[in-house]
Amino acid sequence: EPEVTQTPSHQVTQMGQEVILRCVPISNHLYFYWYRQILGQKVEFLVSFYNNEISEKSEIFDDQFSVERPDGSNFTLKIRSTKLEDSAMYFCASIGRQSWETQYFGPGTRLLVL
Amino acid sequence: EDQVTQSPEALRLQEGESSSLNCSYTVSGLRGLFWYRQDPGKGPEFLFTLYSAGEEKEKERLKATLTKKESFLHITAPKPEDSATYLCAVQADSWGKLQFGAGTQVVVTP
Repeated sequence: EPEVTQTPSHQVTQMGQEVILRCVPISNHLYFYWYRQILGQKVEFLVSFYNNEISEKSEIFDDQFSVERPDGSNFTLKIRSTKLEDSAMYFCASIGRQSWETQYFGPGTRLLVL
Repeated sequence: EDQVTQSPEALRLQEGESSSLNCSYTVSGLRGLFWYRQDPGKGPEFLFTLYSAGEEKEKERLKATLTKKESFLHITAPKPEDSATYLCAVQADSWGKLQFGAGTQVVVTP
């Protein structure tokens, strides 16, 4: 069964450093999303992406964040200058043509900013 | 403002002891209500989508129902492997963002 994959599974970085989180959505999926979950808190929407453009973004997704689909398979989230409060689990999700409303989530990347 | 509230926050069940989880929501124009299961340190795993009041869906020991203001996830005769956090999420637009509740952590003991 196709799955969303994410790399790395864990990342530790110093405050102010740039990080890139990578996702490979399910093949042929069209809409892509990033969410985050701070430890003990709700899953929060960051951004949605369709047709090589941002469709919607939350107020969390400020100028420090960017997304890119550099090729036909990868979908990345970049945090330019990490802050302590960026420490969280980051989840990628995607939607396909057949199940147009169901978002399938990856296993997540645990980011720790020191 | 759209809101999703889940109750209880935590639930401890004996194996075989059936129970229900609640998700109440306020959203302008519900497109879909979703139930996910989340194991510790993992991503949400899709369970059900419900679209309109009166709709029900079942999968093994789980059954989800929907009214105009809330959804219930019924767990019938749970087993220890049903232990997880169950997340409810609403969607107001097609292909739009999901807004999640805080989840109900379920522990099923043998």
